Amino acid sequence: DQQVKQNSPSLSVQEGRISILNCDYTNSMFDYFLWYKKYPAEGPTFLISISSIKDKNEDGRFTVFLNKSAKHLSLHIVPSQPGDSAVYFCAASETGNTPLVFGKGTRLSVIA
Amino acid sequence: DAGVIQSPRHEVTEMGQEVTLRCKPISGHNSLFWYRQTMMRGLELLIYFNNNVPIDDSGMPEDRFSAKMPNASFSTLKIQPSEPRDSAVYFCASRAGTSSETQYFGPGTRLLVL
Repeated sequence: DQQVKQNSPSLSVQEGRISILNCDYTNSMFDYFLWYKKYPAEGPTFLISISSIKDKNEDGRFTVFLNKSAKHLSLHIVPSQPGDSAVYFCAASETGNTPLVFGKGTRLSVIA
Repeated sequence: DAGVIQSPRHEVTEMGQEVTLRCKPISGHNSLFWYRQTMMRGLELLIYFNNNVPIDDSGMPEDRFSAKMPNASFSTLKIQPSEPRDSAVYFCASRAGTSSETQYFGPGTRLLVL
């Protein structure tokens, strides 16, 4: 049973427009959420995170929104750039020294 | 810092052979994770260690898989005997502390079992 779900396997966006990647989770014990970005032949790299005490965290062009009641988070990239083309993984964890649980990923293609 | 180091980067082997994947975590990190990535299942956690001690190996698919962490700077994931369905990319990751710390991934080992 998947605890973290990314229902869109792929997304195409034009350069300069907004990219919105979505993620849903089922475990109400999750209180820390992250997005990782992965290029081909490389390991995933950390992008941005949010704690459950917040509903928004922003870092430059990247903003993560958390809706705890809906158990939903999203990553907004504005403006999208061709270099953002990658696979984006949503991940979540509980408090303490617990492992991250990952979604299956969404492949973002930013078209010039 | 060199980051998480994995070797080999690519491995091609025949069914039935033993495969050993290696990982050197970032110095000072006390948690180490082994993941497997496939198209069907995405990034699956296989096993993780805290302070060199295996905490949860429920993700290890079968007894053919085993992992060790003899010291804070080295871990191995062994598959014996290997099967074609084990073909995947295997990632090692390490983390300095608790869940709120960033987890850093290695570049992965791409395994192909013929």
